[in-house]
Amino acid sequence: AQSVTQLGSHVSVSEGALVLLRCNYSSSVPPYLFWYVQYPNQGLQLLLKYTTGATLVKGINGFEAEFKKSETSFHLTKPSAHMSDAAEYFCAVLNSGYSTLTFGKGTMLLVSP
Amino acid sequence: EAGVAQSPRYKIIEKRQSVAFWCNPISGHATLYWYQQILGQGPKLLIQFQNNGVVDDSQLPKDRFSAERLKGVDSTLKIQPAKLEDSAVYLCASSEGQAHSYEQYFGPGTRLTVT
Repeated sequence: AQSVTQLGSHVSVSEGALVLLRCNYSSSVPPYLFWYVQYPNQGLQLLLKYTTGATLVKGINGFEAEFKKSETSFHLTKPSAHMSDAAEYFCAVLNSGYSTLTFGKGTMLLVSP
Repeated sequence: EAGVAQSPRYKIIEKRQSVAFWCNPISGHATLYWYQQILGQGPKLLIQFQNNGVVDDSQLPKDRFSAERLKGVDSTLKIQPAKLEDSAVYLCASSEGQAHSYEQYFGPGTRLTVT
């Protein structure tokens, strides 16, 4: 069965600093991986996804993630944090079979001025 | 294009009462999902529909939860009777179909508080 581990329930950065949110996965098949963002009182919005091909994936709002098979990781980065990036971020893996998603527990990103 | 609609946005009930949530997916999307998101956790799939048929309900507590999607469009999730541990946000999502199931679009959710 697929699973996702997100290291750190909260990450704090200063505005303009590098954002790094960590995600490790476990999958018995080549994984499809996703990052979602959730703003307060809203649903989840897809930031980016990795399916096949290029291992460095660019998403919306300046975020990108790199799939590293040897490390079973899919960390999310952004070179310079904005106040508007403050939200909760979820990493997810697509399950084989029924094509459902398994989510990590989420990482709350806090951005200070 | 209109997104996934859910109602109500908030609901407060007492334990042992019943409650129902409604979801209208994106037009043309064949697959519909209900997730439960408990505070501090990621969303957990409760049930997946393909058109009006159930594909996966392995994590749905069937003694108290039920869901239907009668005409392959709107869906209703019901809890009867509610327990304190059912307090959570219930998210509905939709996708075009199983071949594109990884492209899931989420509604704003219904926040349920059971007292």
